[in-house]
Amino acid sequence: GENVEQHPSTLSVQEGDSAVIKCTYSDSASNYFPWYKQELGKGPQLIIDIRSNVGEKKDQRIAVTLNKTAKHFSLHITETQPEDSAVYFCAASINAGKSTFGDGTTLTVKP
Amino acid sequence: GAGVSQSPRYKVAKRGQDVALRCDPISGHVSLFWYQQALGQGPEFLTYFQNEAQLDKSGLPSDRFFAERPEGSVSTLKIQRTQQEDSAVYLCASSLVIAGAGELFFGEGSRLTVL
Repeated sequence: GENVEQHPSTLSVQEGDSAVIKCTYSDSASNYFPWYKQELGKGPQLIIDIRSNVGEKKDQRIAVTLNKTAKHFSLHITETQPEDSAVYFCAASINAGKSTFGDGTTLTVKP
Repeated sequence: GAGVSQSPRYKVAKRGQDVALRCDPISGHVSLFWYQQALGQGPEFLTYFQNEAQLDKSGLPSDRFFAERPEGSVSTLKIQRTQQEDSAVYLCASSLVIAGAGELFFGEGSRLTVL
C-alpha cells in the first residue's frame, strides 16, 4: 500500500519568515495530494491540493509543488503569521479516494 | 448545520464495553469516510461509503469494528468489546461527489478513551 513520509515533525519560524514542509510517497499510482491544517480539538481542514497533472499551485501565501518523478511534494507558506501555527498534514490518494496521511508537522510561528 | 457533525465529542468507555459514534455529514454529500487518529499521528483510513453502499472497509482493524450508513446520510461507527488500543479520535469526512473529485470536509471528531 501507499506510504507517506513527512518532515520535519516540528518547525519553528519567526513571524514573516517562510516555512517549508516536505513529503514523499511510495505509490506511483497516487495522483491527488491534499494538504490539511489541523488546530487543537478540530478536524483537519483542506488548505490546498494538487493533482498529478500539475507541477505547482499557488493560493495567496500558500503554494504546493509536486515532483512526480521523485515522488516528492512540498508545502510552502510565505510571510508566516501567528495564526498559521497548527499541525499540517500531507496526504496522497488515487483519484481523491481513501487518503494516506503523513504523521504531521507542528508549525509554531513566533511573533 | 453547515458542517460535518459528530457525536459524542468525548466518550469514556470501560474495556469490554460497546460504543457507537455518530456522523452527520453535510446534507447531500455522497461520499463518507471514517478515519482513526491516534495521538500525535496522522489520520488512518477505516472505511468509505458511497451513499448507503460500503465500498471499502479495508482499514477496519478487526471484526470488532462495524460501520453503517443505512439511508445514505447519517453514519454510525460501532466498536464492540472495546480495548485500550482503540483509544483515539475518530474522524468522519464527507464529500459532495463520489471519491475522485471533491474536497473532503472533516468533522471535529469523537475522542474515545478506553480505560
